[in-house]
Amino acid sequence: EDKVVQSPLSLVVHEGDTVTLNCSYEVTNFRSLLWYKQEKKAPTFLFMLTSSGIEKKSGRLSSILDKKELSSILNITATQTGDSAIYLCAVKTTDSWGKFQFGAGTQVVVTP
Amino acid sequence: NAGVTQTPKFRVLKTGQSMTLLCAQDMNHEYMYWYRQDPGMGLRLIHYSVGEGTTAKGEVPDGYNVSRLKKQNFLLGLESAAPSQTSVYFCASSYPTSILTYNEQFFGPGTRLTVL
Repeated sequence: EDKVVQSPLSLVVHEGDTVTLNCSYEVTNFRSLLWYKQEKKAPTFLFMLTSSGIEKKSGRLSSILDKKELSSILNITATQTGDSAIYLCAVKTTDSWGKFQFGAGTQVVVTP
Repeated sequence: NAGVTQTPKFRVLKTGQSMTLLCAQDMNHEYMYWYRQDPGMGLRLIHYSVGEGTTAKGEVPDGYNVSRLKKQNFLLGLESAAPSQTSVYFCASSYPTSILTYNEQFFGPGTRLTVL
């Protein structure tokens, strides 16, 4: 059975800290890994990773995939209170209809 | 473009009542999905559709039915609501798997359902 595990489940940091979130997966027919940010409403897309070792960056956020270790990390540097959210990891497979398997998410709280 | 919209945004039901959640997308996406999100459990797939007139079961389909009569709409029905169906429901849509560049799912704003 396909599985996506995120760690930690939650964390509290101070503004300015750096945060590292982990996502590990066990799926058959891996295609890509996606990160989403969820504030109070719908998840919004952050990154899609398909190749190992290639870092994707957007401002203070970056992410990298390690296919050998079946995992990905999401880094947030110089955190701000606006980074407070649930960060979701999803793995897409090559099933004919493109199944997305989601992890439980990591709740990040950034305090002033 | 409105993207993915869901109606209603909130609903309270009594046990045994029925209701239908409507999802609409204007991006001409082939694939549509219904998820439920419960605390500490991430998003779990209820049903999905790979095209107009087709539906299939996801991870947690029991107690739900769906229909995709038009490409832009995906309906989720609860025939006899139970307290265990209290959750936040998200609809999503995406392009088919073969179009790699647009691989992500786009989510609606969610429907918060409480069953008493």
